[in-house]
Amino acid sequence: GENVEQHPSTLSVQEGDSAVIKCTYSDSASNYFPWYKQELGKGPQLIIDIRSNVGEKKDQRIAVTLNKTAKHFSLHITETQPEDSAVYFCAASIGDSGGSNYKLTFGKGTLLTVNP
Amino acid sequence: NAGVMQNPRHLVRRRGQEARLRCSPMKGHSHVYWYRQLPEEGLKFMVYLQKENIIDESGMPKERFSAEFPKEGPSILRIQQVVRGDSAAYFCASSPIRGRQTDTQYFGPGTRLTVL
Repeated sequence: GENVEQHPSTLSVQEGDSAVIKCTYSDSASNYFPWYKQELGKGPQLIIDIRSNVGEKKDQRIAVTLNKTAKHFSLHITETQPEDSAVYFCAASIGDSGGSNYKLTFGKGTLLTVNP
Repeated sequence: NAGVMQNPRHLVRRRGQEARLRCSPMKGHSHVYWYRQLPEEGLKFMVYLQKENIIDESGMPKERFSAEFPKEGPSILRIQQVVRGDSAAYFCASSPIRGRQTDTQYFGPGTRLTVL
C-alpha cells in the first residue's frame, strides 16, 4: 500500500518568515495530494490540495508544489503569522476504479510554531 | 451550513465495555469516512460508507469493530469489548455526492476515546 513520509516533525519560525514542509510518497499511482491543518482539540481542516496533472498551486500565502518524478510534494507558507501555528498533515491518495480518491494515506504531521 | 458533527467529544470506557461513536455528515453529503489517530501519528483510514452500504472497510480491524450508516440517522462506529490499545482519537469525514468534488473530505472535531 501507499506510504507517506513527512519532514520535519517540528518546525519553529519567526513571524513573517516562510515555512516549508516536505512529503514523499511511495506509490507512483497516487494522483491526489491534500494538505490539512489541525489545531489543538479540533479536526483536520483542508487548506489546499493538488492533483497530479499540475505541478504547482497557490492560494494567497499558501502554495503546494508536486514533483511526480521524485514522488515528493511540499507545502509553502509565506509571511507566517502566529495563527498559522498548528499541526500540518500531508496526504496522498490513489484513485479507485471509478476515479474517486477517497482513501487518504496521511503523513505523521509537522508541528509548526510561529513565534511573534 | 453546519459542519460534520461528532458525539460524544470525549468518551471513557473500561476494558471490556462497548463504545459507540456517532457522526452526522454535512448537509448534502452522502459519503462518510472514519479515521483513527493515535498519539503523535497521522490519521489512518478505517472505513468508507454510503447510506446503507459499506464501500471499503479494509482499514478496520476484523474483530470487535463495526460501522454502519443507516438510511436515517448518523453513522455509527461501534467498538465491542474495548482494550487499552483502542484509546485514540476517532475522526469522521464526509464528502459530497459522487461526481461533485467527491475527493474533498471535511472532518469533524473527533471523539477522543480513553479506555481505562
